[in-house]
Amino acid sequence: SAVISQKPSRDICQRGTSLTIQCQVDSQVTMMFWYRQQPGQSLTLIATANQGSEATYESGFVIDKFPISRPNLTFSTLTVSNMSPEDSSIYLCSGSTVINEKLFFGSGTQLSVL
Amino acid sequence: GENVEQHPSTLSVQEGDSAVIKCTYSDSASNYFPWYKQELGKRPQLIIDIRSNVGEKKDQRIAVTLNKTAKHFSLHITETQPEDSAVYFCAGYPSSGSARQLTFGSGTQLTVLP
Repeated sequence: SAVISQKPSRDICQRGTSLTIQCQVDSQVTMMFWYRQQPGQSLTLIATANQGSEATYESGFVIDKFPISRPNLTFSTLTVSNMSPEDSSIYLCSGSTVINEKLFFGSGTQLSVL
Repeated sequence: GENVEQHPSTLSVQEGDSAVIKCTYSDSASNYFPWYKQELGKRPQLIIDIRSNVGEKKDQRIAVTLNKTAKHFSLHITETQPEDSAVYFCAGYPSSGSARQLTFGSGTQLTVLP
């Protein structure tokens, strides 16, 4: 399986601030994605992180709120901007391998916004 | 797009009994179906997957069956143990697609009672 490292593992933030989450993957990973998992819910895709270009966002998610970078093949960041309590959730980095289907997840970032 | 429905949402079994979780999908082009296990506070982990050219796949106490005609697939866990307690997610997408098109079910909270 692919190795995906994510940090921070958790954070408590104040309303109106921003948090950047980092994700490092091993060389097996070709595509990188960011998911959100609200308490007790399933996994919702936020966006596909594209190397060297703008991320591809899913319906309901916008770049101004969730800017994403992927400067190289193995590293990506997700920023949660101007946070409100509704952003409290688990954010998961994920990657798929060369065969472009098996999806592996980072350990997640538990975000609480006060 | 794909729609994946998962049942039941919660399932309690006695240790040693079997557990079955079922999912249905809508897109007849879907032909890759992974199952993920997520323990409390941990990342989702791929535990087994199946392609549409196979009707059943086993890995020790875990098996997945697929009925393409009826468009449903099931996870079977035999001789359940307390460490099987977790949330299980099914997913599916077309082989011609990428992991971006992976659609997750709503999850099943499995509790194995000692």
